[in-house]
Amino acid sequence: AQSVTQPDIHITVSEGASLELRCNYSYGATPYLFWYVQSPGQGLQLLLKYFSGDTLVQGIKGFEAEFKRSQSSFNLRKPSVHWSDAAEYFCAVGAHRAAGNKLTFGGGTRVLVKP
Amino acid sequence: ETGVTQSPTHLIKTRGQQVTLRCSSQSGHNTVSWYQQALGQGPQFIFQYYREEENGRGNFPPRFSGLQFPNYSSELNVNALELDDSALYLCASSLGGQSDTQYFGPGTRLTVL
Repeated sequence: AQSVTQPDIHITVSEGASLELRCNYSYGATPYLFWYVQSPGQGLQLLLKYFSGDTLVQGIKGFEAEFKRSQSSFNLRKPSVHWSDAAEYFCAVGAHRAAGNKLTFGGGTRVLVKP
Repeated sequence: ETGVTQSPTHLIKTRGQQVTLRCSSQSGHNTVSWYQQALGQGPQFIFQYYREEENGRGNFPPRFSGLQFPNYSSELNVNALELDDSALYLCASSLGGQSDTQYFGPGTRLTVL
């Protein structure tokens, strides 16, 4: 069975500082990996995804993530955080199925941005 | 191109009642997935519909059921509502296939009293 762990429930970062969110997954084969962001009371917006190829993937809003198979990790990074990045971030792993993925999400990391 | 839309936005029901939530998929998408997000938790997979057939189900009881229509829009039905069914219900649409990427709607907030 697949699973995702996001070890940090809350992270507080100063505006302009760098941000790294941790994600560890468990999956029996090469995973499909995703990062989504959720603003309060809203749906999920896709930040980036990894299917294959280059292990460093670029996403929207200046985010990037690196897939490390040896560590079963897919950490999300941003070099300089803006106040608008305050939100909840979810890592997800997709089970490969012919007709589409079933996503398993981590518990999320809430990011607070200090002025 | 319109994104995924869901209705209603908010809903209040009492225990034992039935509820129907609706989702319109993004143009061209033939796959719809439903997720339940309890407060303070990550979304949990309920089930997925692909070309009008159920294509996988999570660990939810049979009182959670769904439909997908020929235009690929979808409904989620929950019978005999329980207090623990209070949650944000998210719908995601996608093209399906091996490189499936799901795009989420804004969700329906269900409160069961």
